[in-house]
Amino acid sequence: EIVMTQSPATLSVSPGDRATLSCRASQLIGTKLAWYQQKPGQSPRLLIYDASTRATGVPARFSGSASGTDFTLTIDSLQSEDFAVYYCQQYNDWPPLTFGPGTKVDV
Amino acid sequence: QVQLQESGPGLVKSSETLSLTCVVSGHSISSGNYWGWIRQPPGKGLEWIGFIFHTGSSYYNPSLKSRVTISVDTSKNEFSLSLTSVTAADTAIYFCARHVSSTGHYYYHMDVWGKGTTVIVSS
Repeated sequence: EIVMTQSPATLSVSPGDRATLSCRASQLIGTKLAWYQQKPGQSPRLLIYDASTRATGVPARFSGSASGTDFTLTIDSLQSEDFAVYYCQQYNDWPPLTFGPGTKVDV
Repeated sequence: QVQLQESGPGLVKSSETLSLTCVVSGHSISSGNYWGWIRQPPGKGLEWIGFIFHTGSSYYNPSLKSRVTISVDTSKNEFSLSLTSVTAADTAIYFCARHVSSTGHYYYHMDVWGKGTTVIVSS
């Protein structure tokens, strides 16, 4: 099973800041990684797939990148609606599809 | 616009079977994609349970495989989850989701999610 780790667990930022979230896979997964945003009481929302492709309707301030087993989600100029928990998910080798433990972005 | 809606009992007794259904609207299950379930224990992260193709081909998380069955009813455009011998550890929000692949096969992420349904396992 591929284990996903995320850091930091909590990221404290202010509106207008840039947020950088990290995700690491326990083995090479190419670019088979997705990022999801989850707000309290809501289901996850797909932001990024294939490590760097924005999903339909996702603002351009969200971007993803990959380097080896390390992946980064960058949120430029944070908006108030961006405060949420962010999960990464690998889909290179399954079953199971696996998620990271999440990073909470808060004020 | 594709929409998924979960339904089922919100309370299940320990050792019994949890059964949930996900109704898909705005898209025919038979047209492709995998359809699956993910759960989230209170205050915790996401755990993939498994998914199914409209032909009935299914895959499960090995950690749950002995207790899980996912089935599909294309005539009703819905799919279902059955989890046997539940314990308190199965208390969670259960989401259904469409699994898609940018390559057309094998590499699946989830692009549309239901709102989720909370299931509590009581003793």
